[in-house]
Amino acid sequence: DTGVSQNPRHKITKRGQNVTFRCDPISEHNRLYWYRQTLGQGPEFLTYFQNEAQLEKSRLLSDRFSAERPKGSFSTLEIQRTEQGDSAMYLCASSLERATNEKLFFGSGTQLSVL
Amino acid sequence: AQKITQTQPGMFVQEKEAVTLDCTYDTSDPSYGLFWYKQPSSGEMIFLIYQGSYDQQNATEGRYSLNFQKARKSANLVISASQLGDSAMYFCAMRETETGFQKLVFGTGTRLLVSP
Repeated sequence: DTGVSQNPRHKITKRGQNVTFRCDPISEHNRLYWYRQTLGQGPEFLTYFQNEAQLEKSRLLSDRFSAERPKGSFSTLEIQRTEQGDSAMYLCASSLERATNEKLFFGSGTQLSVL
Repeated sequence: AQKITQTQPGMFVQEKEAVTLDCTYDTSDPSYGLFWYKQPSSGEMIFLIYQGSYDQQNATEGRYSLNFQKARKSANLVISASQLGDSAMYFCAMRETETGFQKLVFGTGTRLLVSP
C-alpha cells in the first residue's frame, strides 16, 4: 500500500514562469484536496475534488491557479505567471468518503520557491 | 465562520513525561469533527486522533488522548510518556459536517520539543 505521492518534492522557478505539480492519491480514495502552507502557518485550503468533479475552491485561489483531476485519479495543480508570494509548500491529501470520522491522508508536499 | 486557535507557539517536555497541547475552536454548527495532525521536519502531515462533536467519550489512540470539553469549545491533545520522536509541529483542525463543506481548517500549530 502506497501513501499519497507528490511530485516534484522541490521546485525552483523564476517569477512569471508556469509550474505544474502532480498528486497521486491513495488508490481507493475518491476525495482529493490541495492545501498551501507557508512558514509558521497551518495548511490553508485551496480546492477539493470528489472523483473528477471540483466541488470547492477557496476564494483565496486566484485565477492564476487551476487544478484538475481527470478520470478521478491523479490531480495536477498549475500556477501560471508565478509570483514571489506563491512560494510555499503545496500539500495534497486524499480521503475515502465516510459519514463521520473521515481522515485526510497527506503527501509530503511540493516546496515551491519563486525567485 | 470557522476558527481554530492554538495559543502555544512552542512547548518543551522531558522524555517520558506527559504534555498537553491546547486547542480551542469556534463554530456555530452543531455537527463537526476535530482532528490532530503531527508534522515532523519531513513535511508530511500525520493523522493522530479524531473527536466527533456527538461523541460521548474522549477519543484515545495509544499514547494520544483528546480532552474534549464541548461547553468550553476546547479539544486539547494529551501525549503521555513523551518520546524523542514526538518532537514535531502539531496542528489542530476542524471540519464542519452539517453544512456539507468538506475542508479542514487548521490552527497555526504548536512546536513540541522533547528533551532527553
